[in-house]
Amino acid sequence: EAQVTQNPRYLITVTGKKLTVTCSQNMNHEYMSWYRQDPGLGLRQIYYSMNVEVTDKGDVPEGYKVSRKEKRNFPLILESPSPNQTSLYFCASSLFLGVSGTEAFFGQGTRLTVV
Amino acid sequence: KQEVTQIPAALSVPEGENLVLNCSFTDSAIYNLQWFRQDPGKGLTSLLLIQSSQREQTSGRLNASLDKSSGRSTLYIAASQPGDSATYLCAAEGSYSSASKIIFGSGTRLSIRP
Repeated sequence: EAQVTQNPRYLITVTGKKLTVTCSQNMNHEYMSWYRQDPGLGLRQIYYSMNVEVTDKGDVPEGYKVSRKEKRNFPLILESPSPNQTSLYFCASSLFLGVSGTEAFFGQGTRLTVV
Repeated sequence: KQEVTQIPAALSVPEGENLVLNCSFTDSAIYNLQWFRQDPGKGLTSLLLIQSSQREQTSGRLNASLDKSSGRSTLYIAASQPGDSATYLCAAEGSYSSASKIIFGSGTRLSIRP
């Protein structure tokens, strides 16, 4: 089954404790991205990757890091989480971006609470 | 800068009604327009993808149309059911500031009353 898998689904952590949210896709997609969703602000892009070892900032990259060492995985790293990073996070993948007809697939989300 | 707007923000209708959800976008140079469904606290499920060269797509009781010249897309739901209750998001994929991006609307929260 084609899918994007995020882990963990729920996470409560304390300020400053480094954490990683994993994202994996089994569709051999080149494009992957991370979004955060906040009430009243909608979905905002954090980082994206056009291919292995190619990453770039989205609209709200501050406080986050990513890596793309292999095509299937795109982890989101919070080096020193703060309460304003409490949010619902989504990973997405697409075969390509910028090509008509390519569908985006989303993971089930990770609800992060930083206290 | 692309902006995607969805009106209304919330909609409540009785079961069985046909309804239309609206999505407007400011930059007509899009590659795709995609409609998603999101249940509370859950992920996004893709409903329909309309390519830039297409006018509409259909899946079961859902029909989505695209009019790039007017910057509008609509999602038509026929014979609504309580199970259709969810938030519906539209997303425009295009090239902005030399990078391809997907820009989301803020969603329409739909409630179908039994």
